[in-house]
Amino acid sequence: RKEVEQDPGPFNVPEGATVAFNCTYSNSASQSFFWYRQDCRKEPKLLMSVYSSGNEDGRFTAQLNRASQYISLLIRDSKLSDSATYLCVVRDNAGNMLTFGGGTRLMVKP
Amino acid sequence: DAGITQSPRHKVTETGTPVTLRCHQTENHRYMYWYRQDPGHGLRLIHYSYGVKDTDKGEVSDGYSVSRSKTEDFLLTLESATSSQTSVYFCAISGQGQRSSYEQYFGPGTRLTVT
Repeated sequence: RKEVEQDPGPFNVPEGATVAFNCTYSNSASQSFFWYRQDCRKEPKLLMSVYSSGNEDGRFTAQLNRASQYISLLIRDSKLSDSATYLCVVRDNAGNMLTFGGGTRLMVKP
Repeated sequence: DAGITQSPRHKVTETGTPVTLRCHQTENHRYMYWYRQDPGHGLRLIHYSYGVKDTDKGEVSDGYSVSRSKTEDFLLTLESATSSQTSVYFCAISGQGQRSSYEQYFGPGTRLTVT
């Protein structure tokens, strides 16, 4: 079983749609959680950290459910520029090491 | 912009040759990492450094070595490249300034092809 699992997609949605991605993690001692965005042939870029109380940044909302060990990312009013792969990332309690999910590909169509 | 550069950006080399990839950072971050990214495997940690001359192995360290003689530079060496090491290599940094010490920021990547 992978430590961090994501539905690879692709999720094909029209502009303006709301889309949600989920991610599950296996290590219950995980301490920090992040969403990264990766465009084709580019480096991953930090989208947002995920806090226990949930957090929002503009059209993006991240939530954490520690009991069920899953993290979600909600994108409202999708833009063409949101098309990318979204990586779920988890840090365990053993230091600075991060474990990456395989990514979920989003394609926003006109 | 996290002030990270990687060189070279692209390289084609032959099996059995040594290859060194360089990661350079300008913001005095304590931690530096080398990852490889392959289809179907996502990002996997090769080696990391937690200070000058302090390094440790990651998940897929076989066939790779690293060195960090200065805070700003982290070198990844393939002593004898194999075709299985064809990949995209990313350097990352963390642990300085106002950013969370656990957030990692990535360089632009090096695309390596071993023929």
